[in-house]
Amino acid sequence: GQQVMQIPQYQHVQEGEDFTTYCNSSTTLSNIQWYKQRPGGHPVFLIQLVKSGEVKKQKRLTFQFGEAKKNSSLHITATQTTDVGTYFCAGPVQAGTALIFGKGTTLSVSS
Amino acid sequence: GAVVSQHPSRVICKSGTSVKIECRSLDFQATTMFWYRQFPKQSLMLMATSNEGSKATYEQGVEKDKFLINHASLTLSTLTVTSAHPEDSSFYICSAIDGYSGNTIYFGEGSWLTVV
Repeated sequence: GQQVMQIPQYQHVQEGEDFTTYCNSSTTLSNIQWYKQRPGGHPVFLIQLVKSGEVKKQKRLTFQFGEAKKNSSLHITATQTTDVGTYFCAGPVQAGTALIFGKGTTLSVSS
Repeated sequence: GAVVSQHPSRVICKSGTSVKIECRSLDFQATTMFWYRQFPKQSLMLMATSNEGSKATYEQGVEKDKFLINHASLTLSTLTVTSAHPEDSSFYICSAIDGYSGNTIYFGEGSWLTVV
């Protein structure tokens, strides 16, 4: 079945450093979504990418969707302590089907 | 915007009892809802797909007799954990598809289940 891999599993950075998490699907995705989950909280939707090669920015966050629609990345510039949490990528094989989640990348930031 | 409400947000039950978790789409009709489970420090794992008016489709390894799913209306799906055991303690979260807005998926806020 479809698998979504995500690396790294954990990342610790100093405040102000950049951070990137990578997501790879075993199959082509109709879209890819990114979520952030704080400790003790529920996943919060960040963004959805649909088009091949799409790049979207949200302030310090940059999201990319690969040309083959099988990989994606989330890059955070100049991390802040508020960026702490686990970032998940997720994608459906087909629109309207369940999201398959990557294992997530847990980011810790020290000031 | 669309909201998916989940209740209860936290529940503690005794081993051997059953507990029901509700997932409601508040301002849209959800023909399809999904149930996920998340163990501590792990990812969300799809348990089942729930379609209104029909039987749920369970993922491999998920016991359908233990995790009863009912999707009786276009705005409500329920997950009942029957004869709960401590190993069922987990975070359960639902999501719903708004088929009228381009298949947008909305997540509930999740339910923390602790079985003692």
